Amino acid sequence: GDSVTQMEGPVTLSEEAFLTINCTYTATGYPSLFWYVQYPGEGLQLLLKATKADDKGSNKGFEATYRKETTSFHLEKGSVQVSDSAVYFCALSATSGFGKGTKLSVIP
Amino acid sequence: DAMVIQNPRYQVTQFGKPVTLSCSQTLNHNVMYWYQQKSSQAPKLLFHYYDKDFNNEADTPDNFQSRRPNTSFCFLDIRSPGLGDAAMYLCATSRDPPGPRNQETQYFGPGTRLLVL
Repeated sequence: GDSVTQMEGPVTLSEEAFLTINCTYTATGYPSLFWYVQYPGEGLQLLLKATKADDKGSNKGFEATYRKETTSFHLEKGSVQVSDSAVYFCALSATSGFGKGTKLSVIP
Repeated sequence: DAMVIQNPRYQVTQFGKPVTLSCSQTLNHNVMYWYQQKSSQAPKLLFHYYDKDFNNEADTPDNFQSRRPNTSFCFLDIRSPGLGDAAMYLCATSRDPPGPRNQETQYFGPGTRLLVL
């Protein structure tokens, strides 16, 4: 069935460092792809999404490009902040499940 | 603001004592989901409703049931909680049902953390 494989953490970066979290997918057809973020003690919230090949989702300085040729949707940010510390989940549709999550800690 | 509300945020129950968790939404979405999330793990889908149509995941234990009396409310019933059911329970909604061609962003509530004594 459809699934995502996500780089596992934890990831610890210094403030203003570059972030990449890898996500690859297996799917039939052309699914939409999502990144969700979960701050401590809270539910998940959508960070960004892309609905077709070569689409780039972006929000709050984060970006991810839907790459059909490599079946990937890697999350990137050029300069992380302490407030970005959270767990990040890659996902296909709800019934395909989430990736295992990557915990990001940003230190001042 | 339109949102997904879960009450209570923390619920304590006793081993084997039935417990109900509540979720409401003001988004008027057709689909409501229940997830179980254990510490440091990804959320695991238990079931979802598309309108009144109930869809159970194959590996969801029979101990977990759900009710959706109307569009706005959905309940998770745990008939006989065990220690292994202690977790965060997340409710989510989407406008469209899950599917390979749907762009169904999910909107999550803050979760209810269940403790089983």
